[in-house]
Amino acid sequence: AQSVTQLDSHVSVSEGTPVLLRCNYSSSYSPSLFWYVQHPNKGLQLLLKYTSAATLVKGINGFEAEFKKSETSFHLTKPSAHMSDAAEYFCVVRSYSSASKIIFGSGTRLSIRP
Amino acid sequence: SAVISQKPSRDICQRGTSLTIQCQVDSQVTMMFWYRQQPGQSLTLIATANQGSEATYESGFVIDKFPISRPNLTFSTLTVSNMSPEDSSIYLCSVEYRETRETQYFGPGTRLLVL
Repeated sequence: AQSVTQLDSHVSVSEGTPVLLRCNYSSSYSPSLFWYVQHPNKGLQLLLKYTSAATLVKGINGFEAEFKKSETSFHLTKPSAHMSDAAEYFCVVRSYSSASKIIFGSGTRLSIRP
Repeated sequence: SAVISQKPSRDICQRGTSLTIQCQVDSQVTMMFWYRQQPGQSLTLIATANQGSEATYESGFVIDKFPISRPNLTFSTLTVSNMSPEDSSIYLCSVEYRETRETQYFGPGTRLLVL
């Protein structure tokens, strides 16, 4: 069985400070991991993905995530938050087991304070 | 980038009726999926739409309630049958292309309210 847990439902940071959105996963097989962003009244967009290549993955808009197998984590980070980063972020796990599954985390709402 | 359209964009329906949602893509795709996003919630995968064969449903979703068709590589429909207020959600289709394997591109969604 597989699952994904986003540890924070809401994160608030000041503009220009670092962002950390936490994600832990559970998978019986080597998973692929993703972060998607959903801006208000806009569609979902892929930020980055891990598919068993480099463990540090760089995405769009200055975001990156590190796959840590020993900690079963895939946290999303950005060195300096921008007002336009305010959105809902989803961590996603996908495993090609006997039944292909795509599971979305519960989401983290990121707010940016001026 | 992918051009994905969904029709209708929103609808208000009476309980007991059915609604068919269409998803059209601008070019051939390998995978098509249907999701539900209930108010204030995350996305839940309903099924994988298979071209020329029956869809593959996730646990908790059945064909009688959510029949799906995919007659070709660019088009799919999801029907929400015998609707109840609990079916009020946003329904999204997503696609994958052979060239960008595992990257899902999402449609704009269909916002459904059942009275």
